[in-house]
Amino acid sequence: ELKVEQNPLFLSMQEGKNYTIYCNYSTTSDRLYWYRQDPGKSLESLFVLLSNGAVKQEGRLMASLDTKARLSTLHITAAVHDLSATYFCAVAPRGYGGSQGNLIFGKGTKLSVKP
Amino acid sequence: GAGVSQSPSNKVTEKGKDVELRCDPISGHTALYWYRQSLGQGLEFLIYFQGNSAPDKSGLPSDRFSAERTGGSVSTLTIQRTQQEDSAVYLCASSLVAAGNTIYFGEGSWLTVV
Repeated sequence: ELKVEQNPLFLSMQEGKNYTIYCNYSTTSDRLYWYRQDPGKSLESLFVLLSNGAVKQEGRLMASLDTKARLSTLHITAAVHDLSATYFCAVAPRGYGGSQGNLIFGKGTKLSVKP
Repeated sequence: GAGVSQSPSNKVTEKGKDVELRCDPISGHTALYWYRQSLGQGLEFLIYFQGNSAPDKSGLPSDRFSAERTGGSVSTLTIQRTQQEDSAVYLCASSLVAAGNTIYFGEGSWLTVV
């Protein structure tokens, strides 16, 4: 059974600081997704990482994937209040009966950025 | 609209009643997914459609849950004889068929069973 673990689950940061959220998964996968969710809202796609060593950046967020270590990171640079949200990683297990749909989500990291 | 559209956005129903939740995916997206989000269980996969067929129904929690998709577009998730534990946000998502494409989520249908 594929397990996806995020840490930390709660993160309180000051504006201007840097931090990293970690996403570990327990079985082979070559597709990893990061999403953002604001309270009462749906999931907003941030990144799709498809290969070992993939790195993508958008604004103050940068995501990377190490398939050998089964680890993805979401790095936040110089945090601002607008980044406060819950961040989820999700993994698609390789070879799961050919399905593309069975994304397994982590429990989410609730980020609060304080002035 | 340009995004995944779901209705109703909110639904309160009495225990034992049936409910239908509707999803209209992004135009041209052949893959459609249903997920459920609740406080206790996080985000759970329910079912996946490729066109009108459902190659993966592994996440449906019981035989009270069913889903169909017609015309390769709109999908309906039906919950029969609702129970309180069915209370959750039901999220629909869609993507282009190729693996690795971005999966776009709708705003969800908030279901409360009283």
